[in-house]
Amino acid sequence: GQSLEQPSEVTAVEGAIVQINCTYQTSGFYGLSWYQQHDGGAPTFLSYNALDGLEETGRFSSFLSRSDSYGYLLLQELQMKDSASYFCAVRVQTGANNLFFGTGTRLTVIP
Amino acid sequence: ETGVTQSPTHLIKTRGQQVTLRCSSQSGHNTVSWYQQALGQGPQFIFQYYREEENGRGNFPPRFSGLQFPNYSSELNVNALELDDSALYLCASSPGTVNSPLHFGNGTRLTVT
Repeated sequence: GQSLEQPSEVTAVEGAIVQINCTYQTSGFYGLSWYQQHDGGAPTFLSYNALDGLEETGRFSSFLSRSDSYGYLLLQELQMKDSASYFCAVRVQTGANNLFFGTGTRLTVIP
Repeated sequence: ETGVTQSPTHLIKTRGQQVTLRCSSQSGHNTVSWYQQALGQGPQFIFQYYREEENGRGNFPPRFSGLQFPNYSSELNVNALELDDSALYLCASSPGTVNSPLHFGNGTRLTVT
């Protein structure tokens, strides 16, 4: 079977830093992506790691270690608008852009 | 640039009926994927279409079928609806490259009673 594990809920203070971890066990691995979804909204792309290491995009960074089947999303200088669900997703099939999503981490940012 | 649009936004059907959901992909995107998202869960991959051909399918029964048209818009058809089919159905488009981000629409909320 395939599985992606991430914490179900995280609460953090505005202005702080939060890390959302993701461990995966999948039949194939062709990269780890992160998506953000606000309540009632569409998932929106945040980052993608195909190789080991850190990718930085503004306040968001994402890390991948393929040997540990592990990645994380780091959110810095948290803002109230960052309150949302965050999903890690693994591309499990070569030649097709289909993703296997985790169950999501609900981030609540408090004042 | 027009994003991904889906119709209808909400739909109520009775068990055993059939439903068709529609999706217009983002301009310049030739690949469309469909996902099912149950409440409190992550999206689950149904299938993907590239240049009108299905090129990937998740673990969904054959009563879930689709089409992609020459203008790259797409339809998802579900026959013999079951109560468990109640979910948010998301369409996502992307350029043809496999590592490109998915651009999701706001989805169709399907309720089966």
